Amino acid sequence: AQTVTQSQPEMSVQEAETVTLSCTYDTSESDYYLFWYKQPPSRQMILVIRQEAYKQQNATENRFSVNFQKAAKSFSLKISDSQLGDAAMYFCAYRSARRADKLIFGTGTRLQVFP
Amino acid sequence: DVKVTQSSRYLVKRTGEKVFLECVQDMDHENMFWYRQDPGLGLRLIYFSYDVKMKEKGDIPEGYSVSREKKERFSLILESASTNQTSMYLCASSSGQGSQPQHFGDGTRLSIL
Repeated sequence: AQTVTQSQPEMSVQEAETVTLSCTYDTSESDYYLFWYKQPPSRQMILVIRQEAYKQQNATENRFSVNFQKAAKSFSLKISDSQLGDAAMYFCAYRSARRADKLIFGTGTRLQVFP
Repeated sequence: DVKVTQSSRYLVKRTGEKVFLECVQDMDHENMFWYRQDPGLGLRLIYFSYDVKMKEKGDIPEGYSVSREKKERFSLILESASTNQTSMYLCASSSGQGSQPQHFGDGTRLSIL
């Protein structure tokens, strides 16, 4: 069975600095998708960034980028130029390409941003 | 933009009551999901539906049932609420195609007294 592990329950960063959130996963499949979701205190889960496993190039979305290491089964999220609005719970998630249903989440990392 | 609407943000019910949580999506998505979110446990899948009147159990279906009579609406039912069902409940929908993500509602914080 696939699993997703986020080993950092809490992280903090100063405004304008860079922070990296870790995520590792376990799977025997070769084709899958990885996601980072953000859940601010307002509660709605918002997609931050996604990565297709067949793509070697790391995904980027403005200040957010990933370091996808397929062999190491690692999918970290880098937030550059951190802003106060980045404070939230961040969840890493895995989905098999064979099954459009099951999204497997990590336990989350709470990110605090200090001015 | 996809909109997933959950009927209540906060709900307080008593032990033994039958509880309905409603979810509506406006993007004609095939797939709809109910998750439970608890601190330190992340999100756990209760049930999902890939078509009208179709449903499959997720990881923690015990004590819950679901109903999908129309494509846009997916209901979660607690047949006889218990205190250990106090939690945050999140509904999501997706097209299920390629890397298309799931889109989430605002969540319902349910307290069972």
